[in-house]
Amino acid sequence: AQSVSQHNHHVILSEAASLELGCNYSYGGTVNLFWYVQYPGQHLQLLLKYFSGDPLVKGIKGFEAEFIKSKFSFNLRKPSVQWSDTAEYFCAVNAPESGAGSYQLTFGKGTKLSVIP
Amino acid sequence: GAVVSQHPSWVICKSGTSVKIECRSLDFQATTMFWYRQFPKQSLMLMATSNEGSKATYEQGVEKDKFLINHASLTLSTLTVTSAHPEDSSFYICSARAGGRNNEQFFGPGTRLTVL
Repeated sequence: AQSVSQHNHHVILSEAASLELGCNYSYGGTVNLFWYVQYPGQHLQLLLKYFSGDPLVKGIKGFEAEFIKSKFSFNLRKPSVQWSDTAEYFCAVNAPESGAGSYQLTFGKGTKLSVIP
Repeated sequence: GAVVSQHPSWVICKSGTSVKIECRSLDFQATTMFWYRQFPKQSLMLMATSNEGSKATYEQGVEKDKFLINHASLTLSTLTVTSAHPEDSSFYICSARAGGRNNEQFFGPGTRLTVL
């Protein structure tokens, strides 16, 4: 079974600082990778996803993530954060060739981002 | 975009009672729906996967007789917590998948269950 680890529990940044949130997964086969964001009091929303092709994926609101297969990583980045980026960020993985339940998502524990104005 | 709703958004009940939570896909047909549970400061833990018209598949450690899932139509799935106890208090989130090769899941806003 696959697992996902997010290295940082809570990240605090000032506005305009650059962001990188780590995500590593453990699964030897083909994976689909996702980053979700949960703003305070709101439901999970998809930021970006990787299925295949260019390993550098661009998402909404200026976020991007890079899939590095050799490192089993899918780190989320943003060059300049804003106060409105304050939220919790979840990395998730899906293993489409794993047979039964191949559409299931396995989530990391999440990283809370606090941006100070 | 695809919208998933949950009802109720929060519920408080007495120990021993049953609570039903609804999950609806509002603008698409969901071939598969998922139910998650989220504890404070924890990740989403998948409880079960349900396909319309068939029995739900439960994850290891999830009691199927306690967490009854019904996926009666392509737009509605229900989770019933039977004989709820305080340890069942949690945040329950559903998601829905439209089908095809798109593996994207769309999430509901969650239901906060508090069992007294």
